[in-house]
Amino acid sequence: NAGVTQTPKFQVLKTGQSMTLQCAQDMNHEYMSWYRQDPGMGLRLIHYSVGAGITDQGEVPNGYNVSRSTTEDFPLRLLSAAPSQTSVYFCASSSPRGKLYGYTFGSGTRLTVV
Amino acid sequence: QQQVKQSPQSLIVQKGGIPIINCAYENTAFDYFPWYQQFPGKGPALLIAIRPDVSEKKEGRFTISFNKSAKQFSLHIMDSQPGDSATYFCAAQRTGGFKTIFGAGTRLFVKA
Repeated sequence: NAGVTQTPKFQVLKTGQSMTLQCAQDMNHEYMSWYRQDPGMGLRLIHYSVGAGITDQGEVPNGYNVSRSTTEDFPLRLLSAAPSQTSVYFCASSSPRGKLYGYTFGSGTRLTVV
Repeated sequence: QQQVKQSPQSLIVQKGGIPIINCAYENTAFDYFPWYQQFPGKGPALLIAIRPDVSEKKEGRFTISFNKSAKQFSLHIMDSQPGDSATYFCAAQRTGGFKTIFGAGTRLFVKA
């Protein structure tokens, strides 16, 4: 039972480069979300999905794209990396069917943009 | 309307002490209030959660107190241990919802 798997764990990008952060869950959860964590700012929602083929913007969506072609996968794409996107990124999943409605988080991707 | 305000930012207690972390929310549509615990280098993990129809919930050494009229809730850690040293986040959401709003986090250090 792997839960939520994120890759890579660490990444350094140059300004202007693009990349995709991968996220996969094996719990058949409907909901998946991407958060970024910055010191003193908690976790801020970037994009979320309520099911395959359905995505929407969160609090800080600019500079990021997502897609949800399957229930299991929810990749986050950085279109043109900027130093302001240096952060720790967490993917999370949840289900409205469970007894607890909280998220299961991945272990995170630490991204540095230079 | 969407904010969750958390305090303090950091907290240091002696082993056996009772750290208290406070949160306040604005949106009365929220009806589910989870707390997450995060250790360095790890993702947050769901610790305990409460709904506003109860004023208190206990799970082991962790207790949530909830004041619906004041729109405030707090986490108490009884008999705190060095292993409880972590960052704690409060959060708010609607039942079955997905747009969870998080507080800024509290870094707790329990001295041995």
